[in-house]
Amino acid sequence: KQEVTQIPAALSVPEGENLVLNCSFTDSAIYNLQWFRQDPGKGLTSLLLIQSSQREQTSGRLNASLDKSSGRSTLYIAASQPGDSATYLCAVTATGNQFYFGTGTSLTVIP
Amino acid sequence: TAGITQAPTSQILAAGRSMTLRCTQDMRHNAMYWYRQDLGLGLRLIHYSNTAGTTGKGEVPDGYSVSRANTDDFPLTLASAVPSQTSVYFCASSDPHRGTDTQYFGPGTRLTVL
Repeated sequence: KQEVTQIPAALSVPEGENLVLNCSFTDSAIYNLQWFRQDPGKGLTSLLLIQSSQREQTSGRLNASLDKSSGRSTLYIAASQPGDSATYLCAVTATGNQFYFGTGTSLTVIP
Repeated sequence: TAGITQAPTSQILAAGRSMTLRCTQDMRHNAMYWYRQDLGLGLRLIHYSNTAGTTGKGEVPDGYSVSRANTDDFPLTLASAVPSQTSVYFCASSDPHRGTDTQYFGPGTRLTVL
């Protein structure tokens, strides 16, 4: 069974800092990996999706990388803002319909 | 467009009672999913449907059933609720056949079973 781990569980940074969130998975035979954002009491919003053949994806201040062979992905957030405060989750799938999620990293950006 | 809607927003249910959580999407996505989210355990897949008329079991299917009579609706039924089913339930959709692997999530249903 695929296991997805996100470290750290919580992170607090001052506004303007660049930061990296980590995601690791035990089975490297994945189809894609997605990063999501979840605000308190809300559903998940997709941030970036990386197909297994890709190494990275970028959207604005966000950059996600994928190293399938080592079972790792990172989400890089540049010039963090208080509005970036949320929980960030990664999820992997090998089949396209069975998804395994990490427990998330709770990010607080301090003004 | 509304995307994905879920109803009810929250519910308190007595143990042993049945309940159906509703999920509707207006994006014409083929695939739909039900997850539960629990503190410390993250999101776990309950059931999924690749297309109307088909369903499949996820990681934690016991105690739940689903149906997919049409593209838009994917209800989740608890036949006889137990306290361990207290959770936040999320419905999601995607459309891999159209190249939309991204999952879109509903706002969730908070269920408490007493």
